[in-house]
Amino acid sequence: QVQLQESGPGLVKPSETLSLSCNVTGGSISDAYWSWIRQSPGEGLEWIGYIYYNGNTDYNPSLKSRVTLSVDTTKNHYSLKLTSVTAADTAVYFCAKMEGGSYYFDYWGQGILVTVSS
Amino acid sequence: DIQMTQSPSSVSASVGDRVTITCQASQSIRSWVAWYQQKPGKAPKLLIYEATTLQRGVPSRFSGSGSGTDFTLTISSLQPEDFATYYCQQSYSFPSTFGQGTRLETK
Repeated sequence: QVQLQESGPGLVKPSETLSLSCNVTGGSISDAYWSWIRQSPGEGLEWIGYIYYNGNTDYNPSLKSRVTLSVDTTKNHYSLKLTSVTAADTAVYFCAKMEGGSYYFDYWGQGILVTVSS
Repeated sequence: DIQMTQSPSSVSASVGDRVTITCQASQSIRSWVAWYQQKPGKAPKLLIYEATTLQRGVPSRFSGSGSGTDFTLTISSLQPEDFATYYCQQSYSFPSTFGQGTRLETK
């Protein structure tokens, strides 16, 4: 059974870069597409972007200018960087596996709360 | 972006009740809709995809219907573990978007 686990700082200062990692166990990161999704009280659930094991990515246009996803197949994990954060980026961030090549998310991490505050 | 509007925003029901939640897309999304269940402090769980296909392991009391712009999630006989928030999601148009959620509460 695939399991995902997010890690990273829970507090980031405004204008700095949010960096999170998602460790995948129980399956190979080369077998699927992988996404980041965030959830905030004001914006609900928002898809951020996806990455494939070969490095192919796609991002939500609303965040594209600030987001970078990367993958490390040797460690079976992938990462999110979000630059120039503001309070509006405060949210629970989830990593999730995409079912087949679709945008359905069949396995999720538990989520990590990231607060943007000085 | 396609807007997904769920109704009601919250609903009260009792164990054994039949519950229906609706989701309306701002334009046709054919059958490219999924439904998720989320409990407090947990990640969403995929219940149904492509409007009607039950994800493996999901009880058969959950069902989905609809196409085009109007979709429905039905729980045929509510169980205690079903009290949660439910979200629809469209994957027809980029970027994928979610509804705002329907909170299912105990009456």
